[in-house]
Amino acid sequence: GQQLNQSPQSMFIQEGEDVSMNCTSSSIFNTWLWYKQEPGEGPVLLIALYKAGELTSNGRLTAQFGITRKDSFLNISASIPSDVGIYFCAGSLTGTASKLTFGTGTRLQVTL
Amino acid sequence: GAVVSQHPSRVICKSGTSVKIECRSLDFQATTMFWYRQFPKQSLMLMATSNEGSKATYEQGVEKDKFLINHASLTLSTLTVTSAHPEDSSFYICSATDSFILGETYGYTFGSGTRLTVV
Repeated sequence: GQQLNQSPQSMFIQEGEDVSMNCTSSSIFNTWLWYKQEPGEGPVLLIALYKAGELTSNGRLTAQFGITRKDSFLNISASIPSDVGIYFCAGSLTGTASKLTFGTGTRLQVTL
Repeated sequence: GAVVSQHPSRVICKSGTSVKIECRSLDFQATTMFWYRQFPKQSLMLMATSNEGSKATYEQGVEKDKFLINHASLTLSTLTVTSAHPEDSSFYICSATDSFILGETYGYTFGSGTRLTVV
């Protein structure tokens, strides 16, 4: 099935650094979601974006819905060790109960 | 918040046997449930979408006779992997949605996943 391309594929950063990752698609989505997945667990929603150009924050996390509706980015400021995990973007076309297309994931490692 | 319980969390079965995985929405009615498969270091790939009381819609390449999905109630969906083989070993994750819990979670709540190992 279709996948969204995420970059970078993995990141190794020091505690306190800021992180930026993005997600691109060849097709338009009208909702973008960012999830975090820890080993052996299901994804947990971090931020949901519903409108093109929307910029939304959740604590140290900030995400934006690209104007073209084909991309989104997620920033994490002042990273801490518990930020370690895999971050996935996901796009949806038509609102609730429509299927999500997941990105390829960005694996984040934070060192002390 | 919305909670989805998935059981079992881990299962090991012999090749040729069948395994059932349950997905329950604990505090909301899940009109639609989704089943995903995730291989190591890969993304989640949608297998099928199920609506309560109707047949599941399978994604291209997913064998409906091998992966049986039942969504008989608004709080329970099951995935049965029939005649399992080692290549079916994977992490299976369900998610559930209810259009009335928009805003907080956008209606997609994920279970904690089931690690299936076929030996």
